[in-house]
Amino acid sequence: AAGVIQSPRHLIKEKRETATLKCYPIPRHDTVYWYQQGPGQDPQFLISFYEKMQSDKGSIPDRFSAQQFSDYHSELNMSSLELGDSALYFCASSLTRLAVQETQYFGPGTRLLVL
Amino acid sequence: AQKVTQAQTEISVVEKEDVTLDCVYETRDTTYYLFWYKQPPSGELVFLIRRNSFDEQNEISGRYSWNFQKSTSSFNFTITASQVVDSAVYFCALRGSSNTGKLIFGQGTTLQVKP
Repeated sequence: AAGVIQSPRHLIKEKRETATLKCYPIPRHDTVYWYQQGPGQDPQFLISFYEKMQSDKGSIPDRFSAQQFSDYHSELNMSSLELGDSALYFCASSLTRLAVQETQYFGPGTRLLVL
Repeated sequence: AQKVTQAQTEISVVEKEDVTLDCVYETRDTTYYLFWYKQPPSGELVFLIRRNSFDEQNEISGRYSWNFQKSTSSFNFTITASQVVDSAVYFCALRGSSNTGKLIFGQGTTLQVKP
Protein backbone atom coordinates (compact mmCIF):
# COMPACT_ATOMS: atom_id res chain seq x y z
CA ALA A 1 0.00 0.00 0.00
CA ALA A 2 1.14 3.51 -0.77
CA GLY A 3 2.51 5.49 2.14
CA VAL A 4 3.17 9.12 2.90
CA ILE A 5 6.19 10.42 1.00
CA GLN A 6 8.44 13.12 2.37
CA SER A 7 11.34 14.83 0.69
CA PRO A 8 14.10 15.39 1.25
CA ARG A 9 14.87 12.75 3.86
CA HIS A 10 17.87 14.64 5.16
CA LEU A 11 18.71 18.32 4.95
CA ILE A 12 21.65 20.33 6.21
CA LYS A 13 21.37 24.11 6.31
CA GLU A 14 23.27 27.04 7.77
CA LYS A 15 21.75 29.49 10.22
CA ARG A 16 19.55 32.13 8.61
CA GLU A 17 19.04 30.01 5.48
CA THR A 18 15.66 28.81 4.24
CA ALA A 19 14.36 25.27 3.79
CA THR A 20 11.36 23.74 2.08
CA LEU A 21 10.04 20.35 3.12
CA LYS A 22 7.59 18.49 0.91
CA CYS A 23 4.91 15.98 1.76
CA TYR A 24 2.86 13.76 -0.54
CA PRO A 25 -0.08 12.20 1.31
CA ILE A 26 -1.50 8.76 0.82
CA PRO A 27 -3.73 8.79 -2.30
CA ARG A 28 -7.29 10.00 -1.55
CA HIS A 29 -6.27 11.39 1.85
CA ASP A 30 -7.48 14.97 2.12
CA THR A 31 -5.93 16.06 5.41
CA VAL A 32 -2.25 16.75 6.07
CA TYR A 33 -0.53 17.41 9.39
CA TRP A 34 2.99 18.60 10.19
CA TYR A 35 4.80 17.68 13.40
CA GLN A 36 8.22 18.58 14.77
CA GLN A 37 10.16 16.14 16.93
CA GLY A 38 13.23 17.42 18.74
CA PRO A 39 15.93 15.01 19.98
CA GLY A 40 14.56 12.78 22.71
CA GLN A 41 11.17 14.47 22.61
CA ASP A 42 7.68 13.58 21.50
CA PRO A 43 6.27 14.94 18.24
CA GLN A 44 4.71 18.39 18.54
CA PHE A 45 1.90 19.48 16.25
CA LEU A 46 2.71 22.42 13.99
CA ILE A 47 -0.12 22.88 11.49
CA SER A 48 -2.75 21.00 9.52
CA PHE A 49 -4.70 21.40 6.30
CA TYR A 50 -8.01 19.99 5.14
CA GLU A 51 -9.04 20.36 1.52
CA LYS A 52 -6.29 22.92 0.94
CA MET A 53 -7.41 25.15 3.79
CA GLN A 54 -5.55 25.53 7.07
CA SER A 55 -7.58 23.67 9.67
CA ASP A 56 -5.54 24.02 12.84
CA LYS A 57 -2.37 25.66 14.04
CA GLY A 58 -0.10 24.65 16.86
CA SER A 59 3.20 25.96 18.12
CA ILE A 60 4.53 26.90 14.72
CA PRO A 61 7.01 29.80 14.64
CA ASP A 62 6.10 32.83 12.55
CA ARG A 63 9.22 32.08 10.49
CA PHE A 64 7.48 28.94 9.23
CA SER A 65 4.65 28.79 6.74
CA ALA A 66 2.89 25.97 5.00
CA GLN A 67 0.28 25.29 2.40
CA GLN A 68 -1.56 22.46 0.75
CA PHE A 69 -1.83 22.42 -3.01
CA SER A 70 -4.57 21.34 -5.39
CA ASP A 71 -3.05 17.86 -5.69
CA TYR A 72 -3.13 17.64 -1.84
CA HIS A 73 0.62 17.66 -1.41
CA SER A 74 1.90 20.07 1.20
CA GLU A 75 5.03 22.12 1.69
CA LEU A 76 6.50 23.49 4.90
CA ASN A 77 8.62 26.58 4.33
CA MET A 78 11.11 27.52 7.00
CA SER A 79 13.00 30.80 6.90
CA SER A 80 15.74 32.40 9.02
CA LEU A 81 16.67 28.98 10.31
CA GLU A 82 17.97 28.74 13.86
CA LEU A 83 20.02 26.04 15.56
CA GLY A 84 16.93 25.10 17.56
CA ASP A 85 15.07 24.20 14.38
CA SER A 86 17.21 21.07 14.07
CA ALA A 87 14.70 18.27 14.41
CA LEU A 88 12.84 15.49 12.69
CA TYR A 89 9.86 16.86 10.78
CA PHE A 90 6.99 14.51 10.15
CA CYS A 91 4.13 14.81 7.79
CA ALA A 92 1.04 12.70 8.37
CA SER A 93 -2.09 12.27 6.32
CA SER A 94 -5.59 11.06 6.98
CA LEU A 95 -8.99 10.89 5.41
CA THR A 96 -11.78 13.02 6.86
CA ARG A 97 -15.21 11.43 6.78
CA LEU A 98 -18.29 13.29 8.01
CA ALA A 99 -16.05 15.84 9.73
CA VAL A 100 -14.21 13.13 11.64
CA GLN A 101 -10.56 12.59 10.94
CA GLU A 102 -9.51 9.02 10.47
CA THR A 103 -6.19 7.55 11.63
CA GLN A 104 -3.09 9.57 10.81
CA TYR A 105 -0.36 7.75 8.95
CA PHE A 106 3.09 9.23 9.15
CA GLY A 107 5.77 9.66 6.56
CA PRO A 108 9.39 8.67 7.22
CA GLY A 109 10.27 12.20 8.28
CA THR A 110 12.79 14.80 7.16
CA ARG A 111 15.79 15.15 9.40
CA LEU A 112 16.88 18.79 9.40
CA LEU A 113 20.24 19.84 10.78
CA VAL A 114 20.97 23.54 11.13
CA LEU A 115 24.65 24.41 11.53
CA ALA B 1 -6.67 20.75 28.46
CA GLN B 2 -5.65 17.44 26.99
CA LYS B 3 -2.66 15.54 28.23
CA VAL B 4 -1.03 12.13 27.86
CA THR B 5 1.36 10.76 30.45
CA GLN B 6 3.70 7.86 29.94
CA ALA B 7 5.39 7.59 33.30
CA GLN B 8 7.88 4.94 32.23
CA THR B 9 10.76 6.65 30.47
CA GLU B 10 12.77 3.51 29.80
CA ILE B 11 12.11 -0.19 30.23
CA SER B 12 14.64 -2.95 29.74
CA VAL B 13 13.62 -6.59 29.48
CA VAL B 14 15.16 -9.84 28.36
CA GLU B 15 13.80 -11.51 25.26
CA LYS B 16 10.64 -13.59 25.80
CA GLU B 17 9.58 -11.59 28.84
CA ASP B 18 6.18 -9.89 28.84
CA VAL B 19 6.17 -6.13 29.20
CA THR B 20 3.42 -3.57 29.75
CA LEU B 21 3.69 0.06 28.72
CA ASP B 22 1.47 2.42 30.68
CA CYS B 23 -0.49 5.34 29.29
CA VAL B 24 -2.74 7.69 31.24
CA TYR B 25 -4.68 10.44 29.53
CA GLU B 26 -6.68 13.53 30.45
CA THR B 27 -9.46 15.06 28.40
CA ARG B 28 -12.80 16.73 28.95
CA ASP B 29 -14.17 15.50 25.64
CA THR B 30 -16.80 12.81 25.87
CA THR B 31 -15.70 11.44 22.52
CA TYR B 32 -12.01 10.95 21.91
CA TYR B 33 -9.54 8.62 20.25
CA LEU B 34 -6.45 6.94 21.59
CA PHE B 35 -3.51 5.65 19.59
CA TRP B 36 -0.24 3.82 19.98
CA TYR B 37 2.66 4.45 17.62
CA LYS B 38 6.02 2.71 17.45
CA GLN B 39 9.22 4.56 16.57
CA PRO B 40 12.06 2.15 15.83
CA PRO B 41 15.70 3.35 15.72
CA SER B 42 15.27 4.15 12.03
CA GLY B 43 12.97 7.00 13.08
CA GLU B 44 9.67 6.49 11.34
CA LEU B 45 6.39 6.50 13.28
CA VAL B 46 4.44 3.31 12.76
CA PHE B 47 0.74 3.18 13.60
CA LEU B 48 -0.19 0.27 15.87
CA ILE B 49 -3.75 0.78 17.07
CA ARG B 50 -6.61 3.23 17.38
CA ARG B 51 -9.33 2.99 20.03
CA ASN B 52 -12.49 5.09 20.20
CA SER B 53 -13.71 6.26 23.58
CA PHE B 54 -17.06 4.55 23.13
CA ASP B 55 -15.45 1.17 22.51
CA GLU B 56 -13.89 -0.25 25.65
CA GLN B 57 -13.36 -3.70 24.25
CA ASN B 58 -9.80 -4.81 24.67
CA GLU B 59 -7.89 -5.91 21.62
CA ILE B 60 -5.30 -8.52 20.84
CA SER B 61 -3.18 -8.62 17.72
CA GLY B 62 -0.62 -11.39 17.76
CA ARG B 63 1.79 -10.69 20.59
CA TYR B 64 0.30 -7.24 21.16
CA SER B 65 -2.67 -6.48 23.38
CA TRP B 66 -4.27 -3.28 24.61
CA ASN B 67 -6.25 -2.66 27.79
CA PHE B 68 -8.52 0.39 27.66
CA GLN B 69 -10.14 1.43 30.94
CA LYS B 70 -12.15 4.65 30.94
CA SER B 71 -12.64 4.46 34.71
CA THR B 72 -8.93 5.00 35.25
CA SER B 73 -8.27 6.95 32.00
CA SER B 74 -5.70 4.41 30.96
CA PHE B 75 -4.80 2.73 27.71
CA ASN B 76 -2.02 0.26 28.43
CA PHE B 77 -0.09 -1.77 25.89
CA THR B 78 1.30 -5.25 26.56
CA ILE B 79 3.82 -7.12 24.47
CA THR B 80 3.87 -10.84 25.16
CA ALA B 81 7.05 -12.84 24.64
CA SER B 82 9.05 -9.77 23.67
CA GLN B 83 11.59 -9.93 20.86
CA VAL B 84 14.67 -7.88 20.07
CA VAL B 85 12.80 -6.34 17.11
CA ASP B 86 10.34 -4.83 19.58
CA SER B 87 13.08 -2.46 20.77
CA ALA B 88 11.80 1.02 19.98
CA VAL B 89 10.23 4.12 21.45
CA TYR B 90 6.50 3.70 21.92
CA PHE B 91 4.20 6.70 21.96
CA CYS B 92 0.66 6.86 23.24
CA ALA B 93 -1.41 9.66 21.69
CA LEU B 94 -4.78 11.30 22.20
CA ARG B 95 -7.06 13.07 19.81
CA GLY B 96 -10.14 14.79 21.17
CA SER B 97 -13.32 15.59 19.32
CA SER B 98 -12.99 19.30 20.06
CA ASN B 99 -9.99 19.86 17.86
CA THR B 100 -9.35 19.37 14.20
CA GLY B 101 -7.43 16.17 14.42
CA LYS B 102 -4.06 17.00 15.94
CA LEU B 103 -2.51 14.34 18.10
CA ILE B 104 -1.29 14.98 21.61
CA PHE B 105 1.58 12.62 22.32
CA GLY B 106 2.90 11.28 25.56
CA GLN B 107 6.60 11.59 26.30
CA GLY B 108 7.25 8.11 24.95
CA THR B 109 8.63 4.95 26.55
CA THR B 110 11.91 3.54 25.30
CA LEU B 111 11.76 -0.23 25.31
CA GLN B 112 14.98 -2.19 25.10
CA VAL B 113 14.71 -5.92 24.60
CA LYS B 114 17.97 -7.72 25.23
CA PRO B 115 18.77 -11.11 23.70
